[in-house]
Amino acid sequence: AQSVTQPDIHITVSEGASLELRCNYSYGATPYLFWYVQSPGQGLQLLLKYFSGDTLVQGIKGFEAEFKRSQSSFNLRKPSVHWSDAAEYFCAVRNYGQNFVFGPGTRLSVLP
Amino acid sequence: NAGVTQTPKFQVLKTGQSMTLQCAQDMNHNSMYWYRQDPGMGLRLIYYSASEGTTDKGEVPNGYNVSRLNKREFSLRLESAAPSQTSVYFCASSEAATEVAYGYTFGSGTRLTVV
Repeated sequence: AQSVTQPDIHITVSEGASLELRCNYSYGATPYLFWYVQSPGQGLQLLLKYFSGDTLVQGIKGFEAEFKRSQSSFNLRKPSVHWSDAAEYFCAVRNYGQNFVFGPGTRLSVLP
Repeated sequence: NAGVTQTPKFQVLKTGQSMTLQCAQDMNHNSMYWYRQDPGMGLRLIYYSASEGTTDKGEVPNGYNVSRLNKREFSLRLESAAPSQTSVYFCASSEAATEVAYGYTFGSGTRLTVV
């Protein structure tokens, strides 16, 4: 069965520091890959997605993610974190015609 | 603003009580979904409706029922609430033609506590 793992439950970084959130998936083929962000008390907002082509994709709010087929990974990065980036981040995968499978989430805290 | 609206935002139930969570979208999407979110578990699909008039079970349907009232509205009912159903519930919608590009649109959630 397809699954998504996010090894880090909680990450704390200082404002201005770089960030990398890890995501690994288990899937028979390369699925569609997504990152969502959930701010406190809010629903999920799509940050970026990967379907094919260039393995480095750009998203909103200065985020990017890199797909690495050999590692079955789709890690999210940001060069300089802002206090407003504190939120929970979910990696998700799906194949065409199937429903999303979400990872357990990584909570990001940002120190001033 | 266009989007997905969920009511209520908060609810406390006693064990055995029933309630219905409401969801409405104004984007003319065909597909609608109910998820529950629990710490460390991510989002798990309860039920979904690929189009008006159809509903299907997701990963964790036990203890829930749904109704796709019309294209806009998709409700989730707990007939006899249990403490294990304490969770945050999210409704989402999508359009098959664009969901791969745009993902789902989520509501802001209903925080349910069963005591």
